[in-house]
Amino acid sequence: DIQMTQSPSSLSASVGDRVTITCQASQDISNYLNWYHQKPGKAPKLLIYDASNLQTGVPSRFSGGGSGTHFTFTISSLQPEDIATYYCQHYDNLPYTFGQGTKLEIK
Amino acid sequence: QVQLQESGPGLVKPSQTLSLTCTVSGGSIRSGSYHWSWIRQPAGKGLEWIGRIYSSGSTKYNPSLKSRVTISVDTSKNQFSLKLSSVTAADTAVYYCAREGYVANWFDPWGQGTLVTVSS
Repeated sequence: DIQMTQSPSSLSASVGDRVTITCQASQDISNYLNWYHQKPGKAPKLLIYDASNLQTGVPSRFSGGGSGTHFTFTISSLQPEDIATYYCQHYDNLPYTFGQGTKLEIK
Repeated sequence: QVQLQESGPGLVKPSQTLSLTCTVSGGSIRSGSYHWSWIRQPAGKGLEWIGRIYSSGSTKYNPSLKSRVTISVDTSKNQFSLKLSSVTAADTAVYYCAREGYVANWFDPWGQGTLVTVSS
């Protein structure tokens, strides 16, 4: 199985800050990577697909990049409603696996 | 707008079989454009892909669970189901159903999730 490692595991930032999360794959997965966030008690929600494509309806302050084994997810200006846990997920082959999550909090 | 809703018992005894159903509304499960997946999340932990089914009945499972998992589809009811046998406390989790594109391999949308506790 491909292992997905996210960093940091938790992050505290202020409203308006630029926030970046990284996701490292244990092998080359091209751009076969998605990002989700999950608010407490809710299901995950797709934000970015194919590493850098913004899902319809998702605010443009969210962006993704990278390819191969190293990926980034960025919030350009953190908003209070962005408090959630963020997950990366590869789909290079089965079984799909997720990163362990990055919990984002407001300072 | 497609919506998914999980249903099934919230409590299962150890060694028994966990059974859940996902009802799809706002779209047909017969669509050839999608896989229909199950994903679970133990409390306070990350997400684990369990497996998926295509409308034809073709399935793929996570090797870590393959010996205990069966996913089936009932196109007449627009539902697909999960059975997990010989459960233990380690199978206690929130179980989600989700739609995955046949070539667009991301999960969207997801059901709201249902908590299944394995306990005597």
